[in-house]
Amino acid sequence: AQSVTQPDIHITVSEGASLELRCNYSYGATPYLFWYVQSPGQGLQLLLKYFSGDTLVQGIKGFEAEFKRSQSSFNLRKPSVHWSDAAEYFCAVRGSGGYQKVTFGTGTKLQVIP
Amino acid sequence: ETGVTQSPTHLIKTRGQQVTLRCSSQSGHNTVSWYQQALGQGPQFIFQYYREEENGRGNFPPRFSGLQFPNYSSELNVNALELDDSALYLCASSKGQGGLAGGGGTQYFGPGTRLLVL
Repeated sequence: AQSVTQPDIHITVSEGASLELRCNYSYGATPYLFWYVQSPGQGLQLLLKYFSGDTLVQGIKGFEAEFKRSQSSFNLRKPSVHWSDAAEYFCAVRGSGGYQKVTFGTGTKLQVIP
Repeated sequence: ETGVTQSPTHLIKTRGQQVTLRCSSQSGHNTVSWYQQALGQGPQFIFQYYREEENGRGNFPPRFSGLQFPNYSSELNVNALELDDSALYLCASSKGQGGLAGGGGTQYFGPGTRLLVL
């Protein structure tokens, strides 16, 4: 069964500092990987996705993520955080077959301090 | 291009009642998935509909049921509501069953319906 672990429940960073959110997945074959962001009371917005090819993926809002198969990780990074980045971030995994069940991690809540 | 829409935005029900939530998929998408997100948790997969048929289900009891219509919009029905059903219900639409030709099945989410069961 597929699973996602986000080990950090809550992270606080200063505005302008760099950010890395951790994600580890478990899946038997090549996974499809996603990062979504959720603002309070809102739905999920797709930040970026990895299907194949270049293991460094660029997304919206200046985010990037790197797929490391050997470590079963897909960490999200941003070089300089803005106050508007405060939100909850979810990593997700999906199989590459026809059935599209997406499994989410429990999320990391990001707080940005001025 | 119209995004995923859901109605209603908020709903209050009492235990034992039944509820129907609605979702309109993004233009060009033929797959709809439903998720339950309890407070402080990640979304949990309920089920998925592809071309009007259920083609996958998570660990939810049969009182959670759904429909997909010819225009690919969808309904989630929950019978005999329990207090633990209080959550944000998210609908996501995607194109195809998967594979890069179908856009990889990337799911785009609606804003959700917040259900409170008293």
